[in-house]
Amino acid sequence: AQSVTQLDSQVPVFEEAPVELRCNYSSSVSVYLFWYVQYPNQGLQLLLKYLSGSTLVKGINGFEAEFNKSQTSFHLRKPSVHISDTAEYFCAVSGYTGKLIFGQGTTLQVKP
Amino acid sequence: GAVVSQHPSRVICKSGTSVKIECRSLDFQATTMFWYRQFPKQSLMLMATSNEGSKATYEQGVEKDKFLINHASLTLSTLTVTSAHPEDSSFYICSAPEGGKGTEAFFGQGTRLTVV
Repeated sequence: AQSVTQLDSQVPVFEEAPVELRCNYSSSVSVYLFWYVQYPNQGLQLLLKYLSGSTLVKGINGFEAEFNKSQTSFHLRKPSVHISDTAEYFCAVSGYTGKLIFGQGTTLQVKP
Repeated sequence: GAVVSQHPSRVICKSGTSVKIECRSLDFQATTMFWYRQFPKQSLMLMATSNEGSKATYEQGVEKDKFLINHASLTLSTLTVTSAHPEDSSFYICSAPEGGKGTEAFFGQGTRLTVV
C-alpha cells in the first residue's frame, strides 16, 4: 500500500522569503511522485513530477523538488515566494496505473 | 498537455434527486479515469476507478449504488450521485492518466455539488 504524509498543514511565510513544503511517502514498490497546486474552487495544476533519473526536479513558477529515496521524501522548495503562490499544495504518489494517493495538503500563506 | 473537461462546474440540487457529472478527455483516449471527492479544507480522496467497457472499481467505504459510474466510451466517464443528501455536498474531481500510465494525470476543473 502507498501513503503520503505532508508534515505541515499550514506554512506562513513572508513575500520574497524561501519556502519548503515537506512530503514523505511510503510504498513497497517504485512510484512516481507529484506536487500539485490548487486554488480555491478549482481543479489541480501540476507543478512538477519525479518519474526517474535526476533527483532534482524543476517545475513551473520557480518551484523545484528533490527526490530522496533513502529518506522517502519529496520536499518542494521555492527560493522566493510571491503573494500569488498562496494556495493549497498537494503531494501525491502513484504507481503505473495512474491512481493517485494524495497527502493531506499544505496551505501556503504568503504575507506581504 | 492533455485536456480533461468536467461538467458542470457547479450544481445545486434538492435532497433526494440525482445529479450527473461528466468527465471528458478532449484530445486523448482514456480507458481509465478516476473520481475523487474533496471535502472543505481536506485532501482528495479516491472514490473509484472508472474502466471503459467494464464495471467501476470502488474504494472501501464508497457506496457503489449511490455513486453510479459509467464509462461508456474512451473519452467519457460519468458519475451519478443518486438520491443526493446534504452530506453528499462536496467537490468532485475526475482525472485521466494519458496513455493509461501513471506518468501524468490530467484533472478536470471539478464540480461543486451542493445538496439543499
